[in-house]
Parts: sequence; structure tokens; C-alpha cells
Amino acid sequence: NAGVTQTPKFQVLKTGQSMTLQCAQDMNHEYMSWYRQDPGMGLRLIHYSVGAGITDQGEVPNGYNVSRSTTEDFPLRLLSAAPSQTSVYFCASKAPLGTEAFFGQGTRLTVV
Amino acid sequence: GQQVMQIPQYQHVQEGEDFTTYCNSSTTLSNIQWYKQRPGGHPVFLIQLVKSGEVKKQKRLTFQFGEAKKNSSLHITATQTTDVGTYFCASLNPSGTYKYIFGTGTRLKVLA
Repeated sequence: NAGVTQTPKFQVLKTGQSMTLQCAQDMNHEYMSWYRQDPGMGLRLIHYSVGAGITDQGEVPNGYNVSRSTTEDFPLRLLSAAPSQTSVYFCASKAPLGTEAFFGQGTRLTVV
Repeated sequence: GQQVMQIPQYQHVQEGEDFTTYCNSSTTLSNIQWYKQRPGGHPVFLIQLVKSGEVKKQKRLTFQFGEAKKNSSLHITATQTTDVGTYFCASLNPSGTYKYIFGTGTRLKVLA
């Protein structure tokens, strides 16, 4: 049972480039979310989804897009990367009636 | 919006000393969860508290939820080097179905 899988683990982008951070879970969880982690800022919610076809904004959604076409996948898109988006990104999933959120291993993104 | 503040931001303790981190909210919380993140790792669920005044223990860890459900604490007795990491509290945003808001975290360093 793989749990939550994030790819890539590391990425360096140039300012203005676009990319997609992948997140997949095999636990059939309806709830999925993306967080970014910056020093001293904790984990800040970017976008979340409560099921396929349903997404909503979190605390810091600007500069990021998401879609949820299947239960398993919840990709995060950066359309035009900026240095301020340098961060560690975590994807998490949770069953609607479950208690804990399961996190992926994280993607460390550097924008130069 | 809902804010969850944690103190202290950093704590260095000698191995064997006790450690406490506090989580405070400006609004009443429906529940509180605690996560641990080892250096270079991802957050891992520890526990959830739901009831006012609730106290739960996991070996050397004691978790409390305040009577007013606006604060919580995590106390570690006789710290060990394996306790090193960042401890986060998290709570469900009352206005969002799956909008978990994380605290800023407390980074614990244990000196052997």
C-alpha cells in the first residue's frame, strides 16, 4: 500500500516556467489537499478537494491551479513560477469519516 | 479568518528534560489534531482531541484540549533524541468541510 505519492521529490525552475506537481493516493480517500511549508510559517493550505470534480481555495491559492478529475489524483499547477513559490510542497489525503490526514513525502521546489 | 498560533517557535532541551508546546486559537475549535514532522520528513498524525478538557496520553506524550476549546498543549516527559522534530497542531476551519488549518509549529531539538 503506497499511501500518498508525490513526484518529483526535487525540482528547480526558472522564473516564468510552468510545471505540475503530481500527487496520487491509493487509499480511495475523497479528501485531498495541498500545503506549502516555509520556515517559521508552518503548513499553509493552498487548495483542497472534497471529491472528484470539486476543488476550493485555501489560505494561499494565488499562483496555483488544481483540478480533480479522479479520486486518486490531485495535481498542483504552477503556471508561471516566481521565486516566492520556492518552498516545500506537501500533498495530503483523508477519508471523509477518518481522523488523520496522510501526507506525501513532499516536493522541494526552488525557483531561480 | 481563523488563526492558530503555536509557542514557542523553537525549543532546545537537554535529553531527559520535559518539553511543552502550546497551541492557541482566536476562535472556538471543533477539534484539535497534533502532528510530528521529523527533520527532512513529512507530517505524521499523532492524535486528535474533540471534547472540552480532554486529556490523552501516548507513553511519554500528554495532550490536552482546553475547557473553552480555544487552546491545546502537548507535553513530553523526559525527552529523548528520538523526539527531535517539529510538532504541529491543526484544526478544522469551521467554515470549510476539509479546510484544516495548521499552526506555525514548534521545532524541538534535544541535546544528548
